[in-house]
Amino acid sequence: SYELTQPPSVSVSPGQTASITCSGDKLGNKYACWYQQKPGQSPILVIYQDNKRPSGIPERFSGSNSANTATLTISGTQAMDEADYYCQAWDSGTVIFGGGTKLTVL
Amino acid sequence: QLQLQESGPGLVKPSETLSLTCTVSGGSISSRSSFWGWIRQPPGQGLEWIGTIYYSATNYSPSLKSRVTISVDTSKNQFSLKLSSVTAADTAVYYCAGGGGGGLSTKFDYWGQGTLVTVSS
Repeated sequence: SYELTQPPSVSVSPGQTASITCSGDKLGNKYACWYQQKPGQSPILVIYQDNKRPSGIPERFSGSNSANTATLTISGTQAMDEADYYCQAWDSGTVIFGGGTKLTVL
Repeated sequence: QLQLQESGPGLVKPSETLSLTCTVSGGSISSRSSFWGWIRQPPGQGLEWIGTIYYSATNYSPSLKSRVTISVDTSKNQFSLKLSSVTAADTAVYYCAGGGGGGLSTKFDYWGQGTLVTVSS
């Protein structure tokens, strides 16, 4: 079965750029999307089709996907961006989520 | 703006069937561009996809397929989840979600608030 691998945690200083990776076999041939989840809240879609932002998502969120790795980039990271982030893809009729990455802004 | 709301028992006994309903408001569940799904999250853990339904076509997680049924009631603008033979490992927050795209473009644009289901005697 297809798997997506994320680092368990990433730390970033306020105002700096955070990068969260998601790895999977030939992931670049699929679309990746990303969700943000804050404690006690439902996930929110922040990036879809590799690099598109839904309405209302700040421009500091961007994405890329090539070869075996998709990357979520948060430029000028703010304290409010501290959350868990999950990548997601589709493969052969199934939806796959990565294990999640806890982003700490310190 | 679509809104989704889960409902159902918060406590289920082991070996019984977990049943949840998701009510969709602000749009039609019969929309050709939309599909609907269930995702769960065990306490302190990550997201796990359970299954999706598009019209009457369903796709289920291979690890849960033998125990899961997802169906749609267009007259009530609802879709539902049934998970049979539950164990403590099925204790989780269950989310219903809706999205567009499908296939490689599958994404969940809208999520319910989630409901905690505990499996315990």
